[in-house]
Amino acid sequence: SQQGEEDPQALSIQEGENATMNCSYKTSINNLQWYRQNSGRGLVHLILIRSNEREKHSGRLRVTLDTSKKSSSLLITASRAADTASYFCATNSGGSNYKLTFGKGTLLTVNP
Amino acid sequence: DSGVTQTPKHLITATGQRVTLRCSPRSGDLSVYWYQQSLDQGLQFLIQYYNGEERAKGNILERFSAQQFPDLHSELNLSSLELGDSALYFCASSVGSGGSLGQYFGPGTRLTVL
Repeated sequence: SQQGEEDPQALSIQEGENATMNCSYKTSINNLQWYRQNSGRGLVHLILIRSNEREKHSGRLRVTLDTSKKSSSLLITASRAADTASYFCATNSGGSNYKLTFGKGTLLTVNP
Repeated sequence: DSGVTQTPKHLITATGQRVTLRCSPRSGDLSVYWYQQSLDQGLQFLIQYYNGEERAKGNILERFSAQQFPDLHSELNLSSLELGDSALYFCASSVGSGGSLGQYFGPGTRLTVL
């Protein structure tokens, strides 16, 4: 079953613009992670935000987490054509639950 | 390159057959996770091993089994294959046993069942 639901399902922007993707989840979490997947390839871990954090930055990435709304957003600033990929949020519920539950992803296309 | 290797890259087989997918985790990582990615189900967690022991189980069919060996590599065995088993199978690894750290994914094995 999918825990995270990304929104939008697809996003097309021009190079240099910012891209914002949202993720909603259903149950309480220990942390939320964002991954990128280039077409048909393995996932790459981008950033992890813990449930007691509200915002985190890594290079051109900014992630926010609102546990009261059970939602997160991923902002990619000054996008590049190389950012074209699918982006997934994944939640970990902590405790004895070790697995990650992924959403269906947002397909981001950055046009040069 | 994540440091996680998976073999084979592609596998084409017939219904009813059995296949074995292999994964070598990053050096130093004790946890191995298996995921299935298909168009209709998305990314589904199958199973996790930590230092040779099964730690968590997800949506893994009874026809599927896995193990982690003393050298920490892992194998996923899929038997009595059906058309619906066609998917990308990913292995991931992490240093710890919990989900408090990011996971490093291999390039995947694309399984096609004809």
